[in-house]
Amino acid sequence: AQSVTQLGSHVSVSEGALVLLRCNYSSSVPPYLFWYVQYPNQGLQLLLKYTTGATLVKGINGFEAEFKKSETSFHLTKPSAHMSDAAEYFCAVTRLMYSGGGADGLTFGKGTHLIIQP
Amino acid sequence: NAGVTQTPKFRVLKTGQSMTLLCAQDMNHEYMYWYRQDPGMGLRLIHYSVGEGTTAKGEVPDGYNVSRLKKQNFLLGLESAAPSQTSVYFCASMRAGEQFFGPGTRLTVL
Repeated sequence: AQSVTQLGSHVSVSEGALVLLRCNYSSSVPPYLFWYVQYPNQGLQLLLKYTTGATLVKGINGFEAEFKKSETSFHLTKPSAHMSDAAEYFCAVTRLMYSGGGADGLTFGKGTHLIIQP
Repeated sequence: NAGVTQTPKFRVLKTGQSMTLLCAQDMNHEYMYWYRQDPGMGLRLIHYSVGEGTTAKGEVPDGYNVSRLKKQNFLLGLESAAPSQTSVYFCASMRAGEQFFGPGTRLTVL
């Protein structure tokens, strides 16, 4: 079974400050990890993903995340927060990738609401 | 190219009524998913499909049925709605590990 824990249901940072959203996962097989963003009353948009290879992954809007196997973590960071970053962020894990064997969906964390203070 | 669309956007049901939510994708994806989103719970997988004519249960399948008669469509049915099924429902399709989400359907069961 897989699980995802996002530390902090709400995170508040000042505009221009570092954004750090924490995600820890549990998986019995090598994980594939994702960060999604959800703006109010909208669907989810993929920010970035880790499958294999380089452990530092860069995504859209200046976000990046680092896969640390020893810490079972996949924290999301952005050097300088912008007001437009205010949204709900979800970390997700899956165990089977689309490569002939099928994929049985994502397991999501409960989400972190990012608040940007002016 | 519309991506993933969901019909309807909003719906209010009375307990015991039935309804079907429609998800359509025009990206020719094999894999499709239904999730529900509840406050403080993230998204949870209801059912999924790995191709036309196939369906499988996810984490919270009870009270729901699905069908995938055509590759581009994935239907989610509630036979007898309950207040516990009040939620926002998201459909997604997947290619190469990336899931593409629809805009959601907000369902209220009174």
